[in-house]
Amino acid sequence: EPEVTQTPSHQVTQMGQEVILRCVPISNHLYFYWYRQILGQKVEFLVSFYNNEISEKSEIFDDQFSVERPDGSNFTLKIRSTKLEDSAMYFCASSTTHYEQYFGPGTRLTVT
Amino acid sequence: KQEVTQIPAALSVPEGENLVLNCSFTDSAIYNLQWFRQDPGKGLTSLLLIQSSQREQTSGRLNASLDKSSGRSTLYIAASQPGDSATYLCAVLMDSSYKLIFGSGTRLLVRP
Repeated sequence: EPEVTQTPSHQVTQMGQEVILRCVPISNHLYFYWYRQILGQKVEFLVSFYNNEISEKSEIFDDQFSVERPDGSNFTLKIRSTKLEDSAMYFCASSTTHYEQYFGPGTRLTVT
Repeated sequence: KQEVTQIPAALSVPEGENLVLNCSFTDSAIYNLQWFRQDPGKGLTSLLLIQSSQREQTSGRLNASLDKSSGRSTLYIAASQPGDSATYLCAVLMDSSYKLIFGSGTRLLVRP
């Protein structure tokens, strides 16, 4: 069964460094998403992406964040200058239409 | 602003019991509602999706119901097993939006 994959599974970085989290959505899906979950808190929406542009973003998704679909298979989330409070589990998701979202296993980001 | 609440926050039951998890939302203008399972440190597995026009969905021992007008959904688990132990999250997708809004989850422990 097709699934969303994410790499790396765990990323440790120092405050102020740039990180890129990678996702491979399900191949025939057209809508892509990033969510995050800070330890012990709710899963929060960051951004949705369709037709090579951002379709919706939350107030969390400020200028430090960017997303890109550099080729036909990858979907990336870049954090330009990481902060301690960016430590969280980051989930990628994809969907065919405005419908059921399928989530990847997540990347645990630890900022020290 | 949509708020999603899940009660109880934690639940411990003996194996074999039937149980009900509750989810409520404040804004009834939803497009659909999804129930997810999350194992510790892992991703989100979609269990059931109910469209706003539907009343319930079933998959194996799981049955989810939706009462959109009262802002409530329940997840019924029949004949619980230790392997059902996990956190169960509900999330709503609003009309004219791409983002899922999550509840904080119910942590379920099924004791052998």
